[in-house]
Amino acid sequence: KAGVTQTPRYLIKTRGQQVTLSCSPISGHRSVSWYQQTPGQGLQFLFEYFSETQRNKGNFPGRFSGRQFSNSRSEMNVSTLELGDSALYLCASSGDKRTTNEKLFFGSGTQLSVL
Amino acid sequence: QKEVEQNSGPLSVPEGAIASLNCTYSDRGSQSFFWYRQYSGKSPELIMFIYSNGDKEDGRFTAQLNKASQYVSLLIRDSQPSDSATYLCAVSRMDSSYKLIFGSGTRLLVRP
Repeated sequence: KAGVTQTPRYLIKTRGQQVTLSCSPISGHRSVSWYQQTPGQGLQFLFEYFSETQRNKGNFPGRFSGRQFSNSRSEMNVSTLELGDSALYLCASSGDKRTTNEKLFFGSGTQLSVL
Repeated sequence: QKEVEQNSGPLSVPEGAIASLNCTYSDRGSQSFFWYRQYSGKSPELIMFIYSNGDKEDGRFTAQLNKASQYVSLLIRDSQPSDSATYLCAVSRMDSSYKLIFGSGTRLLVRP
């Protein structure tokens, strides 16, 4: 079974630009979560989607948005990039059981650098 | 107070020793507890999960949960240099918020 696939692996952008990151979950998984990881803040929850619906959102500004498609693939978008948005963005998928026991399986991440 | 707290380390142990990693959490309603291992430059990898009080063993790994003390730990027996990584504790809430809260991680160094 293929794992979680994230593209691109690396991105370099300048302040003010916008960026779109893509994530394909494990086959059969319907939940996709996004996390931001920085050395100072660790792993911070961005949002989670299930069956094209956002079920929860973390404490990030509205510049961060996401969506999920009918095939469970997900994208996240960051508009008006700031230097502080430089981070590793991780996507994780989990099974379709709507319980708190869902295990997350992470992709390799997208390393975003904002110059 | 952080929701999930871990000592950042590094925790340095000799090869063959037992490494003990600790994590405390603040939400008494937390139900599920996970340990992830993250090598430098790589993504987190799930290595253990535990839902009930007590111990859960899987190979060289043992997860321990004490809900009364809001404490979860990970023991690594016969530590190997390949175990050197950052270990992340994650907690899932009871309110079905569909997210994991991660600690900042403990860096483990296993000396040959």
